[in-house]
Formats: sequence, C-alpha cells, structure tokens
Amino acid sequence: DTGVSQDPRHKITKRGQNVTFRCDPISEHNRLYWYRQTLGQGPEFLTYFQNEAQLEKSRLLSDRFSAERPKGSFSTLEIQRTEQGDSAMYLCASRSPGAWTEAFFGQGTRLTVV
Amino acid sequence: AQTVTQSQPEMSVQEAETVTLSCTYDTSENNYYLFWYKQPPSRQMILVIRQEAYKQQNATENRFSVNFQKAAKSFSLKISDSQLGDTAMYFCAFPAQGGSEKLVFGKGMKLTVNP
Repeated sequence: DTGVSQDPRHKITKRGQNVTFRCDPISEHNRLYWYRQTLGQGPEFLTYFQNEAQLEKSRLLSDRFSAERPKGSFSTLEIQRTEQGDSAMYLCASRSPGAWTEAFFGQGTRLTVV
Repeated sequence: AQTVTQSQPEMSVQEAETVTLSCTYDTSENNYYLFWYKQPPSRQMILVIRQEAYKQQNATENRFSVNFQKAAKSFSLKISDSQLGDTAMYFCAFPAQGGSEKLVFGKGMKLTVNP
C-alpha cells in the first residue's frame, strides 16, 4: 500500500502523559498536513510542512503540541501533558506540488485521554 | 473569517436514487478551489470531486457532479444512481484565503444509502 500511513491507529493515554504520533506520507509528496477531527465535526487544520520546513501553524496548536518533519519524509506530532480535550482523531494528509492537487489522507490516529 | 456551511446533518436515500448535498461558503477571494471529500465508516477521507472557481463548467466524475453557483457561493454535490458504498460522511471544503495551505471543512453530512 503506497498511501498515507499513520501509526498508531488507536492510543489510550492517561491525562498528563505525553504521546507521539507518526505519519508516513506518499513518498513523492513534499507537502504534509496535520488535522484534528472531533466527533460530529469536520477536520480542523493544525499545521503544514513543505519538505522539512513547518510553514504554517494554527492557533489550535498550543504550546503542548509540537510537530516535526526532520528529513522531509515522515512527520511526528507530539502532545505533551495530555488533557481530556485532546481526545480526537488526528489526521495526516499529503499532496504533491502544484495548485491544490489532491490531498491524500491517512486513516488517522484516534486518541483517547482518560 | 472563512466559513463552510453544510446545513443538512444527515440524509437517507434508497439505492439507485439521486441525492443532492448542499454546501455554502464565504470567501472574499475571486479564484479558488472547492472540494467534496467522502469519509466512509472507519476508513480514510478521499476526494470525490474538485471544482476550480474560475471555470464556469460544473465538474463531473462518473456518478458525481456539482452545481457551482459562484455568485451565490453555493457548491452542491449530486450523487446519481446511489450505491451502498456511497454510505459515508461527506465534507465540503475549500482553501483558506491569503495563500494559506489550510483547508476549511464544513461539519459534514452523514449519508446513508439503504438497499
């Protein structure tokens, strides 16, 4: 499967713990995105990378959130000191260069903070 | 702020029927793209159809077509000959203005196709 893959698919953590999610985009895609989706809502943008550079961050991305894409390939999203409000589906997407080429989404990581 | 409104939270149709999903949006941009994404249960989101705002012709992809009314800022999706596999959440989306890479999504609409 050469689509966008995310790991893990599910994560249950205790409040206050740190968690890290990984996204492997489609290999030739230089653009990578993280979104958060809560129940009954559409995805909300978190951040965007072009190659290894993080070019855009949402105000939703508080100080407890950090994302990296060190070599312009896979990306990680870390949440420190998790809170119950962080419970959501975290989606990764990638796309190739060009004016709004199709974005391909992964299956997401569902985070539950207890 | 840019917004996307999907006023119908849920719809149910019979197989082979035609259904139209509505979407309105707000932007001050003149040239932009609009998207419909489909999210089947427990599966990843996939692009259904894309419309470029400068094109007057409505986009079509097999059984899927759009009715794009730029002046009214309306972008509805028509699904013809509905199939069981069309059961999913459908999201209307478009890029935030000012050259942002952010996609702004509506809240989605749950479509159920019944046999």
